Amino acid sequence: DAKTTQPPSMDCAEGRAANLPCNHSTISGNEYVYWYRQIHSQGPQYIIHGLKNNETNEMASLIITEDRKSSTLILPHATLRDTAVYYCIVPPYNTDKLIFGTGTRLQVFP
Amino acid sequence: DVKVTQSSRYLVKRTGEKVFLECVQDMDHENMFWYRQDPGLGLRLIYFSYDVKMKEKGDIPEGYSVSREKKERFSLILESASTNQTSMYLCASSPRTESTGELFFGEGSRLTVL
Repeated sequence: DAKTTQPPSMDCAEGRAANLPCNHSTISGNEYVYWYRQIHSQGPQYIIHGLKNNETNEMASLIITEDRKSSTLILPHATLRDTAVYYCIVPPYNTDKLIFGTGTRLQVFP
Repeated sequence: DVKVTQSSRYLVKRTGEKVFLECVQDMDHENMFWYRQDPGLGLRLIYFSYDVKMKEKGDIPEGYSVSREKKERFSLILESASTNQTSMYLCASSPRTESTGELFFGEGSRLTVL
């Protein structure tokens, strides 16, 4: 599995963009980058994934560097409800065996 | 919307009891998973299944077994519960596609073993 490294915690003011970094320097060419989040006392929720191009959906944007060794999840206008633990995951190609590390605890404050 | 339903949100059992945790998904997904989550350790994969009657060990299968008799249902079994199995248990499912990391999780079952 490609190992991922994330900061343990971050703060963000409500209404501002939250930029969550992830390092995955050992990623292989056909491995995707996935982001999940887990709000307290709930199961993890899928946010977005990408291979090499930047991706955007209704929840967030994913920016992957050209060398694919790192990525950034962007929540464009953070709200208090975005307070959660965010996980960056790179599963082996063609497998669902996701390894969840300890993620980044994002605290959005008023 | 995909729904993954876990049978019990909270359970309290005694050491040595046999415990069944049930999980049902309604989107005809091929893949199903059981994780446990403990503070400071993140989510750890116990067992997974890619099809009916198929099962594969995850990273921490000891003390657990699973059953998948129907596509929509994946059961986790603790044959003889122990206090170190007190944890949050999370079930997930996913379709079989090329980009296969999109898992749908249930709300979790918090098990306390006394």
